[in-house]
Amino acid sequence: EDQVTQSPEALRLQEGESSSLNCSYTVSGLRGLFWYRQDPGKGPEFLFTLYSAGEEKEKERLKATLTKKESFLHITAPKPEDSATYLCAVERGANNLFFGTGTRLTVIP
Amino acid sequence: DTEVTQTPKHLVMGMTNKKSLKCEQHMGHRAMYWYKQKAKKPPELMFVYSYEKLSINESVPSRFSPECPNSSLLNLHLHALQPEDSALYLCASSYYSGTDTQYFGPGTRLTVL
Repeated sequence: EDQVTQSPEALRLQEGESSSLNCSYTVSGLRGLFWYRQDPGKGPEFLFTLYSAGEEKEKERLKATLTKKESFLHITAPKPEDSATYLCAVERGANNLFFGTGTRLTVIP
Repeated sequence: DTEVTQTPKHLVMGMTNKKSLKCEQHMGHRAMYWYKQKAKKPPELMFVYSYEKLSINESVPSRFSPECPNSSLLNLHLHALQPEDSALYLCASSYYSGTDTQYFGPGTRLTVL
């Protein structure tokens, strides 16, 4: 059975305090792993797609990495505007995204 | 431009009402999606249309009826909903060529009384 588990469930950071979010997955034949950011009451905003183990992608203060069993989203020197829920999703068939439950990040000024 | 628009932003309906949600994109994407998201839960896939044909229906009750009139437009017709159907309904779109990024709209917040 396909599973996507994100940890921690919630994370509070001081502004400038770097940390990592984890996404562990079990899926037969990974086609792609996606990271999204979601603000309350809004639609998910695309961040990254990773396709194969060893791949890394960066955007501003965020860096996503992928291994055969998990992905990490590293946040360097976060700012209050980085506060959001970060969702990991795997594609388990053409166009079929399966989401993890997310990590709710709060960055305190 | 990666914009997906959804109307209305908010909708309140009774259990006997019929209403529709609308989604539009002008990015040339050929796959469009409906997701349902309950509070503090991740989005759950409901329907997928590719090239205007229904390709995935995740065992959604028949009180939800999707329609794709053309490649830019996606509707979700609602009839005889239950209070537990109250949720944020998200539309997304992507190019249809293998593993494609899905771009989401802002959602419609639905409340069923």
